[in-house]
Amino acid sequence: SQELEQSPQSLIVQEGKNLTINCTSSKTLYGLYWYKQKYGEGLIFLMMLQKGGEEKSHEKITAKLDEKKQQSSLHITASQPSHAGIYLCGADRGGTSYGKLTFGQGTILTVHP
Amino acid sequence: DGGITQSPKYLFRKEGQNVTLSCEQNLNHDAMYWYRQDPGQGLRLIYYSQIVNDFQKGDIAEGYSVSREKKESFPLTVTSAQKNPTAFYLCASSPRVAEQFFGPGTRLTVL
Repeated sequence: SQELEQSPQSLIVQEGKNLTINCTSSKTLYGLYWYKQKYGEGLIFLMMLQKGGEEKSHEKITAKLDEKKQQSSLHITASQPSHAGIYLCGADRGGTSYGKLTFGQGTILTVHP
Repeated sequence: DGGITQSPKYLFRKEGQNVTLSCEQNLNHDAMYWYRQDPGQGLRLIYYSQIVNDFQKGDIAEGYSVSREKKESFPLTVTSAQKNPTAFYLCASSPRVAEQFFGPGTRLTVL
């Protein structure tokens, strides 16, 4: 099984709907990164969370890290076709793994106009 | 403009050939990384380098080699020992304590 599990694996929503993507770790996280990827392109950084209970927002996207620092959620409000793509969470374990990221398998988001 | 460039965008390799993927950054970042992406598996770390003239194996280093002779450059060679090299390869760089910035990727296909 993956160190970092994302759910759902794919999501199809109608434009205007809200949605949530989850990222669960089997180990405590030093830092949690959210990225977005268009198919066949590089990753675009969205947000980084480091403190338990932390929440960050950018435009219509909000990401939270739970108090135990083992689960994060990414919430999109009033989705638009421009939100479509692959969302990946990446975990920094800290310690000797500092700077190395382990990624989840990704969540494919489709937004129908 | 500052950023990370990868070349070529598409690469075709015959069985038994070595190929080298280029990654260059002008962001003055210390650390650089190579990942492989396969459908449904997210990204897996191949090699990383936190400083010039030093690099470490990631989770799937077998069949790959790298060098870090200059801060700006971190080329990846896919050798004939890599049994299943067809994949999308992504290079990234980061300052010591911050998020990783990714290049546009190279799609390698073995013919």
